[in-house]
This record gives sequence, C-alpha cells and structure tokens, in this order.
Amino acid sequence: QKEVEQDPGPLSVPEGAIVSLNCTYSNSAFQYFMWYRQYSRKGPELLMYTYSSGNKEDGRFTAQVDKSSKYISLFIRDSQPSDSATYLCAMDPGNTPLVFGKGTRLSVIA
Amino acid sequence: GAGVSQSPSNKVTEKGKDVELRCDPISGHTALYWYRQSLGQGLEFLIYFQGNSAPDKSGLPSDRFSAERTGGSVSTLTIQRTQQEDSAVYLCASSTTSGNEQFFGPGTRLTVL
Repeated sequence: QKEVEQDPGPLSVPEGAIVSLNCTYSNSAFQYFMWYRQYSRKGPELLMYTYSSGNKEDGRFTAQVDKSSKYISLFIRDSQPSDSATYLCAMDPGNTPLVFGKGTRLSVIA
Repeated sequence: GAGVSQSPSNKVTEKGKDVELRCDPISGHTALYWYRQSLGQGLEFLIYFQGNSAPDKSGLPSDRFSAERTGGSVSTLTIQRTQQEDSAVYLCASSTTSGNEQFFGPGTRLTVL
C-alpha cells in the first residue's frame, strides 16, 4: 500500500458545482496536511495547509482532515473554469520532505 | 518579489549525454528540494538540502543523479549518461527553516531522445 493514495481522475464538473477531492494515507506519523494546485506547465502552488483534524475554510475552499480515518478532503464551492488544474495532496511527518499524492486532474466546464 | 526560478525551462538531449539543471531558491530560504514529476505520476522526492547539514539523498534513483548546493543558495541537479526513462519535469522548491510551505519553481522539462 502506498503511503498516500489519491484518485487521479480526471474529474469533470459543470461550472458552479461543488467539487470534492480526497486522499487517504497509511502513515499515522503525518502531522501536516496540504493541498497544492498545479496549472498545466507550471509548478505546484500551496492552496491550503492544515495541522489538526477538523475543517479549515478559505474563501470557496475548505480543507478537511480526519486523522482517525486517515482521510483528507478538499472541497471547492461554486467551482469556476479557472479552478481547472491538477490538485495534489501532500503530507509531512515533520522535518522531512513532503509525501505527495499523484494528483487529481479537475476540469470545470463553463 | 522573486520566486523560485529554474533553468532551462526545457531541455532536449540525446541518450547518454550529461545534463545540468539549475535552481535559484527564494532569497533567505535555507531548505531546498528537488522533485521529479513524470506523466501521470505525483511528485517523486529526489534530494533535500537544509542549511549546512548533509543533504538527504535518499530519493535519488541511481548514482547517475547528483546534486550540489553552493553557498547555501543556488543548486544544480546533474544527470549523467541520461536514459529515456529520465524524461520528466524536474521541480525545485524552497522553504524557510521552520516552515512547511514549499514554494515551487516552474520546473525544467527534460526530454531524452
């Protein structure tokens, strides 16, 4: 079993839909949980960063962490065509390089 | 405000040649990371530099790969005797000592013919 599992998609939704992206992990030592967004031919950029279980909201984006289930989610409300990108989850047990999921490719259709 | 820069943006080389990829991290960032991203794959960790400590080379796939960081700033990733399976996007990231947010460069797209 890989340390981080993420469905690669692709995921296609109509504009305005609520998008749910998910990752599962096996290493209970992971302490920090991140979501990166990567546009085509660009480097990833940090979107959300969480430490503990629970929800964190930033505009249309909500990150959710459930440590007991080893499951994290990113929700995008009122999705826009500009949200079309690959979304990568990343995890860190602390002071070591991040472990990334494979990324989910999202297309929001106008 | 300069971000992480990488050069070249694209590199096409012939099998068996050596290549050097360069990364300029954000000024003041002491941690520098190299990753490889192949088509349909996530980011594969290669090597990590933190200040003056010995680098973490645990992700390098073979002894054809090496990296150095001069003066705690610029880093060069070298791939010797390139193979077709080395074709990928090579991404560099930097972060502050205590921070977990890694800032990525745009990557170098390497194609080995």
